[in-house]
Amino acid sequence: AQRVTQPEKLLSVFKGAPVELKCNYSYSGSPELFWYVQYSRQRLQLLLRHISRESIKGFTADLNKGETSFHLKKPFAQEEDSAMYYCALHSWGGSNYKLTFGKGTLLTVNP
Amino acid sequence: GAVVSQHPSRVICKSGTSVKIECRSLDFQATTMFWYRQFPKQSLMLMATSNEGSKATYEQGVEKDKFLINHASLTLSTLTVTSAHPEDSSFYICSAPRQGFSYEQYFGPGTRLTVT
Repeated sequence: AQRVTQPEKLLSVFKGAPVELKCNYSYSGSPELFWYVQYSRQRLQLLLRHISRESIKGFTADLNKGETSFHLKKPFAQEEDSAMYYCALHSWGGSNYKLTFGKGTLLTVNP
Repeated sequence: GAVVSQHPSRVICKSGTSVKIECRSLDFQATTMFWYRQFPKQSLMLMATSNEGSKATYEQGVEKDKFLINHASLTLSTLTVTSAHPEDSSFYICSAPRQGFSYEQYFGPGTRLTVT
């Protein structure tokens, strides 16, 4: 069965500092991984996906199949980055597909 | 961008009663929608996959007779919590995938259910 692990429940950094949110996965198939973000009082939304190898709001994430990781990084954190971040794995089961979420990391960027 | 709405945003019901939660895709069609449950300070747990025109697919451990799902049209899925109990109190969230991009989900704002 697929599993997504985010080892840090809470992460606190100062503005301008680098930030890395860790994500590890377990999946027998070819993984499709995503980061979703939930800002205070807002709904969950897609931040980025590994397929596109893009940078969104300064965040990047590289899929490392050897280490089964998909860590989210930003070189200089901003206060507006404070939010809940979820790593998610897209998987197929028969004719259905689904997203499996990690438990989330609450990022706080202090001024 | 695409929007998914949920109604109601909050509901309080008495133990033993049933409550219906609606999930609508406002400007796109969704043959598939997903229902999640989120406990305080915990992650989203997928409850079931709602399929338009066919039966929902429930995750292991989710009682299909308790959590009735009906995908009535290409823009509406409903979750009915039957004979609700206090332990059913939770935050229920639905999502619908972007057309052609199954992995990109648009999430509803969630429904807070409190069973007294």
